[in-house]
Amino acid sequence: AQRVTQPEKLLSVFKGAPVELKCNYSYSGSPELFWYVQYSRQRLQLLLRHISRESIKGFTADLNKGETSFHLKKPFAQEEDSAMYYCALTGPGNFNKFYFGSGTKLNVKP
Amino acid sequence: DAGVTQSPTHLIKTRGQQVTLRCSPKSGHDTVSWYQQALGQGPQFIFQYYEEEERQRGNFPDRFSGHQFPNYSSELNVNALLLGDSALYLCASSFPGLALGTQYFGPGTRLTVL
Repeated sequence: AQRVTQPEKLLSVFKGAPVELKCNYSYSGSPELFWYVQYSRQRLQLLLRHISRESIKGFTADLNKGETSFHLKKPFAQEEDSAMYYCALTGPGNFNKFYFGSGTKLNVKP
Repeated sequence: DAGVTQSPTHLIKTRGQQVTLRCSPKSGHDTVSWYQQALGQGPQFIFQYYEEEERQRGNFPDRFSGHQFPNYSSELNVNALLLGDSALYLCASSFPGLALGTQYFGPGTRLTVL
């Protein structure tokens, strides 16, 4: 069964500290993984996608197929990174159906 | 372009009633997906409409139905409302030329079932 797990509901770090938001998944096949973000009073939006191997706003995410993980990382957190982060996946044959995790609220303290 | 719009913003219904939620996609988008987001949870995929047809469906009962109009706007209908249907309902639009995963979300409709 397809499932996305984000074990931390809340993650608090100080400005300048490294950040890692955890995401584990289960999927029958080879999924495509994504991170979405929702800033305060804004809409949910795509942050980055694994397929593009991109770095957005200093964030990167590494897909570990052995551990079925797709953790989101940033070496130096900024206050403007405070937001709700959701890990999501879709897969071959179901590329229009997205499965989301329950989200992690990142709070970056000054 | 106002982006994706949804109406109404909030509504309150009682158990057993029926509700219709509306979504207008971003200009140029022809695909509409609906999600249910319960409090403290991530969005759950309900279904997606493309070319006025339901293209994909999540694990939701038949009480949840939808429609897409020729102008690409969409409706989500929920019959025989249950207390557990209380949630934020999100609409997202896209079109086939966008990179995978790129979907534009609306602000949502908050449904409360009493």
